[in-house]
Amino acid sequence: DGGITQSPKYLFRKEGQNVTLSCEQNLNHDAMYWYRQDPGQGLRLIYYSQIVNDFQKGDIAEGYSVSREKKESFPLTVTSAQKNPTAFYLCASSSGLANEQYFGPGTRLTVT
Amino acid sequence: AQSVSQHNHHVILSEAASLELGCNYSYGGTVNLFWYVQYPGQHLQLLLKYFSGDPLVKGIKGFEAEFIKSKFSFNLRKPSVQWSDTAEYFCAVNPSGWNTGFQKLVFGTGTRLLVSP
Repeated sequence: DGGITQSPKYLFRKEGQNVTLSCEQNLNHDAMYWYRQDPGQGLRLIYYSQIVNDFQKGDIAEGYSVSREKKESFPLTVTSAQKNPTAFYLCASSSGLANEQYFGPGTRLTVT
Repeated sequence: AQSVSQHNHHVILSEAASLELGCNYSYGGTVNLFWYVQYPGQHLQLLLKYFSGDPLVKGIKGFEAEFIKSKFSFNLRKPSVQWSDTAEYFCAVNPSGWNTGFQKLVFGTGTRLLVSP
């Protein structure tokens, strides 16, 4: 089955620790995205990548980092500099054929 | 600031009632417009999209939306809702309007719809 996988589904970390969220797609999409979803705030773009080895900051990139070494993978690291990291994180991808974004199931991160 | 507004944060309807969810945006020029839905425990998925052409767009599960350029609106409608339509609905806009595989979307804050049986 083609799709986007995110792991783990739930993640718990202590304050001050960096944590990396996984996002893998087998849709052969060039573009990938990371969003953060908070209640009442919709989805906000953290980082996006249009092609391998290239990525740009979105609207709320502070405290986050990404890499795009492979077309299929776009991991997101939530660093200790992110002041309010507890949230639901969504990964998405898109291609020129469909002109829409496909979303993964999300990772719920709780930092205490 | 430029944005996407969904004025209805929570909507409660009985089955068979008609639905209209508002979406307004503040970007000029050509835009691409989307409605996404997030059913409880499921992935965010596309309901419908508008790029050009007929401003009345039909999507999955009986949903439709109308693009009114003069009002900067893209309201979502369904004539008769079902209990299974209970979900959160997000309007999204690509302000650049480029018809490419890359879509830098701006999302509204979402509307939670509860349909009572």
